[in-house]
Amino acid sequence: AQSVTQPDIHITVSEGASLELRCNYSYGATPYLFWYVQSPGQGLQLLLKYFSGDTLVQGIKGFEAEFKRSQSSFNLRKPSVHWSDAAEYFCAVGARSTDKLIFGTGTRLQVFP
Amino acid sequence: DSGVTQTPKHLITATGQRVTLRCSPRSGDLSVYWYQQSLDQGLQFLIQYYNGEERAKGNILERFSAQQFPDLHSELNLSSLELGDSALYFCASSASGTDSYGYTFGSGTRLTVV
Repeated sequence: AQSVTQPDIHITVSEGASLELRCNYSYGATPYLFWYVQSPGQGLQLLLKYFSGDTLVQGIKGFEAEFKRSQSSFNLRKPSVHWSDAAEYFCAVGARSTDKLIFGTGTRLQVFP
Repeated sequence: DSGVTQTPKHLITATGQRVTLRCSPRSGDLSVYWYQQSLDQGLQFLIQYYNGEERAKGNILERFSAQQFPDLHSELNLSSLELGDSALYFCASSASGTDSYGYTFGSGTRLTVV
């Protein structure tokens, strides 16, 4: 069955610290992978996506993610977190032949000054 | 502004009632998707339309229906509402109907059933 697992429900970091949010997927076909961010009361904004090619992808707001096929992972990273990064982050997976995306349950990021 | 417009932003209604949520996709996007976000179920795919035709169906209840009109806006109709239907309903759009290049989401409609 297709699924996305975000094992960390809630992460707290200090401003300026590095960040890594974990995402593992289970998907039969070659996946399309996405990270979205949702601020309170807002919709989801696309941070970055991976389809093929270079396994390290750069996104907006200084985020990057690395696709590791052997580990079925697509972890999101940021070298230095800003207070404005506090939000909920969702990993999602889709297939080439369909547009349906399967979302993880999200990781809530809290940033302390 | 993402370019995807959802109305209304908030909706409070009683059990047993029927409501209609509206979505205008980003200019040029042919695909519209509806998702339900609740605390216990997370983000669940409901249904997708592409250029007026239903393309994919997910965990959409029989009490729910949707359509996409010739001008590409879409409506999600929820009937015989139950308390458990209280959730955020998101619409998203994308340019392609056959490949996932990433959606653009609207800001959602928060439905509260009392």
